[in-house]
This record gives sequence, structure tokens and C-alpha cells, in this order.
Amino acid sequence: EVVMTQSPSTLSVSPGERVTLSCRASQSVRNNLAWYQRKPGQAPRLLIYDASTRATGFPARFSGSGSGTEFTLTISSLQSEDFAIYFCHQYNNWPNTFGQGTNLDIK
Amino acid sequence: QVQLQESGPGLVKPSGTLSLTCGVSGDSINNSNWWTWVRQPPGKGLEWIGEIYPSGSTNYNPSLASRVTISIDRPKNQFSLRLSSVAAPDTAVYYCARNGGSYGRLDFWGQGTLVTVSS
Repeated sequence: EVVMTQSPSTLSVSPGERVTLSCRASQSVRNNLAWYQRKPGQAPRLLIYDASTRATGFPARFSGSGSGTEFTLTISSLQSEDFAIYFCHQYNNWPNTFGQGTNLDIK
Repeated sequence: QVQLQESGPGLVKPSGTLSLTCGVSGDSINNSNWWTWVRQPPGKGLEWIGEIYPSGSTNYNPSLASRVTISIDRPKNQFSLRLSSVAAPDTAVYYCARNGGSYGRLDFWGQGTLVTVSS
């Protein structure tokens, strides 16, 4: 199965900063990659799909890029409501697999 | 707005069977979506368990296929997960989710429910 590796596992940042999260696949998943946001006690929310398409309800400060094996999620200017766990998901190969997640917390 | 809600026992004995149900609102279980189960053991990453289509077709993770059954209940607009012969490593937060339009990404999720395997 495809192994998804996210880095870093934890990132402490200040509001207003620009952050870039990484997700790497052990083999090509083309652009069949999604990012999700999860906050404590809430359902995960689809954030980015097809590597770069922003899902409904998320502002333009969120962007995704990459294809093949290297993907990034960028938040251009962190807001307080963005502190959460972000995880990636490949749906190109069966079974689907997920990254371990990056915990974005307040510095 | 589509909403999913997991329900079921939070504690299962070793060697027993874990049974969870996912109630769906805001969408019909008969629409062209794959209905999915995912889990996350404490301190570990998410694991895709399997999925079911309204026709009853299923796909299971090979690592769990011998113990997993996913079924659909159309009158109640819900789908269910059964995992047999559970052990401590099956302790996890279990999520149900919708693969909308069968495109692969999971566009709606439940909040998740913690199931602990312990005597």
C-alpha cells in the first residue's frame, strides 16, 4: 500500500505567519490527494481535493499544490481558527491511505 | 447540509464483535456515493477500513477483510460496520464518511466515536 508521510508532525506558529505543510507519497498518486482539517470534538472537514481544489467554505488563504509524490498545503496568513490538525489522504491507489497528520498549534 | 453520526457501544470485550452504525441526514443512502468507515488508533494515523455502495457492493482493506462486514439499511438511511474477533489493537476512534459522487475524497464525516477493546 502507499505510505503517506507528513512533515512536520507538530508546528508551533504565530497568527499571521505563513505556513507550509508537506505530504509525501511512497509512490505516485497522480493528483488524487486530499487535505482535511480536524478540530477537537468536531468532524474532519474536507479542505483540499484533487491536490489543489479548495473545498466549499474555506477561504483563499488555504491552497494546495503538487502531484505525483510531493504535495504541500499552504496557509498564507494563519488565523486563530486555523489551529487544528491537518492530514492528507491519497485516493489513487487501493486501499486508500492517510498521513499521520500535522498538529498546528499556537506559539 | 449532509450530516453523519456514529453510534454504538464504546466498550467491547476481546474476541467479541464491534458493531457501529452511521446515521445519514441531508442525503439519501441510495444516492451514488460510497459510504466509508475509517479508524484512528490512539497515537497512530488514520486507517481506511472499507466502503459500501447503495447496490451493496463493498470494498475492504485487505488487512481487515477477513473480519469486516459493512452493510446498508436503506429504510433507516444508515450503514453499519461489524468487526469480529477484536483485540486491543482495534481500540480506536471510528469515523464514518461519505465519498461523494464516488470521486474518492471524503467530503463529509461524522465526529467519530471511541471504541475501546478491554475486558
